[in-house]
Amino acid sequence: DAGITQSPRHKVTETGTPVTLRCHQTENHRYMYWYRQDPGHGLRLIHYSYGVKDTDKGEVSDGYSVSRSKTEDFLLTLESATSSQTSVYFCAISETAARLFEQYFGPGTRLTVT
Amino acid sequence: AQSVAQPEDQVNVAEGNPLTVKCTYSVSGNPYLFWYVQYPNRGLQFLLKYITGDNLVKGSYGFEAEFNKSQTSFHLKKPSALVSDSALYFCAVRDGWGAAGNKLTFGGGTRVLVKP
Repeated sequence: DAGITQSPRHKVTETGTPVTLRCHQTENHRYMYWYRQDPGHGLRLIHYSYGVKDTDKGEVSDGYSVSRSKTEDFLLTLESATSSQTSVYFCAISETAARLFEQYFGPGTRLTVT
Repeated sequence: AQSVAQPEDQVNVAEGNPLTVKCTYSVSGNPYLFWYVQYPNRGLQFLLKYITGDNLVKGSYGFEAEFNKSQTSFHLKKPSALVSDSALYFCAVRDGWGAAGNKLTFGGGTRVLVKP
């Protein structure tokens, strides 16, 4: 999985609690992404980052925030988890110079909100 | 916004037969198109891409894809399917331009089942 780790890999949490997922890369890639995968919806972009401290919203950003204080780490926070945020979350990285827009994915985090 | 559509939720094929997974696109300008594969409990893996040049693109694991501008399609193909090709396949298109625009929009996915 191309030098990308995600933690935790599995998490069960209760409605209303904050949750932070971590993506760590060792590839020194500029771009990092958070997606969620749900049956019938494919992959949907939550937030992405195009550099340290540079982030932008994706298609389904409501209820999520992100931070990137270092090149290698991209954090996704669910401010107050809801059952609709039960999903599998994937982090991805890319570097335009080396691999023109190809994205490489982490192993995923399965989050269950009860 | 750019988009891709995968019209089939599932494709069933016998081992040894040709495999085709369909993708159509809707873009303004020249499309950058991609195929990814996802095996059970894994992240997506890059298979191939079309940026420019030859309409037939070759990728990993014996897969290829044909870019057809007149039909706005980018179908994934494999001449002889293997049981191990059973997986979820995603088509994607580059969406956005400039330094902040390096994003992909994915189709809904097609599940491929190759039967022995």
